[in-house]
Amino acid sequence: AQSVTQPDIHITVSEGASLELRCNYSYGATPYLFWYVQSPGQGLQLLLKYFSGDTLVQGIKGFEAEFKRSQSSFNLRKPSVHWSDAAEYFCAVGISNFGNEKLTFGTGTRLTIIP
Amino acid sequence: EPEVTQTPSHQVTQMGQEVILRCVPISNHLYFYWYRQILGQKVEFLVSFYNNEISEKSEIFDDQFSVERPDGSNFTLKIRSTKLEDSAMYFCASSDRAKNIQYFGAGTRLSVL
Repeated sequence: AQSVTQPDIHITVSEGASLELRCNYSYGATPYLFWYVQSPGQGLQLLLKYFSGDTLVQGIKGFEAEFKRSQSSFNLRKPSVHWSDAAEYFCAVGISNFGNEKLTFGTGTRLTIIP
Repeated sequence: EPEVTQTPSHQVTQMGQEVILRCVPISNHLYFYWYRQILGQKVEFLVSFYNNEISEKSEIFDDQFSVERPDGSNFTLKIRSTKLEDSAMYFCASSDRAKNIQYFGAGTRLSVL
């Protein structure tokens, strides 16, 4: 069965600093990978996805992620964080590309931004 | 932009009572899902639904749970006899086959007392 590990439970970053959130997955075949963001009291918003092709994917709000098969990783990055980026970030893996599959989520990383 | 709508935003119930959580998926989507997130824990898959039947369900989704698409727009999750451990945020999601992206609602927080 697939699994997702987000090793960092909580990260604190200064506003304007760069950010990298780690995600490692376990799955026997090529996974479909996602990053979602959850602001307090809100639902899950899709930041970006990887299905195939270019291993560096761009998302909304200036985020990007890189798929590295050799490391089974899909780390999320942003060159300069804004106070509004404070939220919980979830990495997720899906197991098929046919529209009807479950997502397996990591435990999430809570991002705090300090002035 | 189309969005998934969930009602109510917060539901308080007594242990043993039945609850129905409601969701209106994005209108042209064909695949529907329920997930839950116990406070402080990760989001967990409950069930997926397509063509008016369950496609897959997790071990959490036992006989106390059921899903239904009663009309062309709503998708519901029913818990027949709630337990304290059912207290969680429940998320509905929908997707279409072409884009294969699940869009989530804002969730219903269920509190079982």
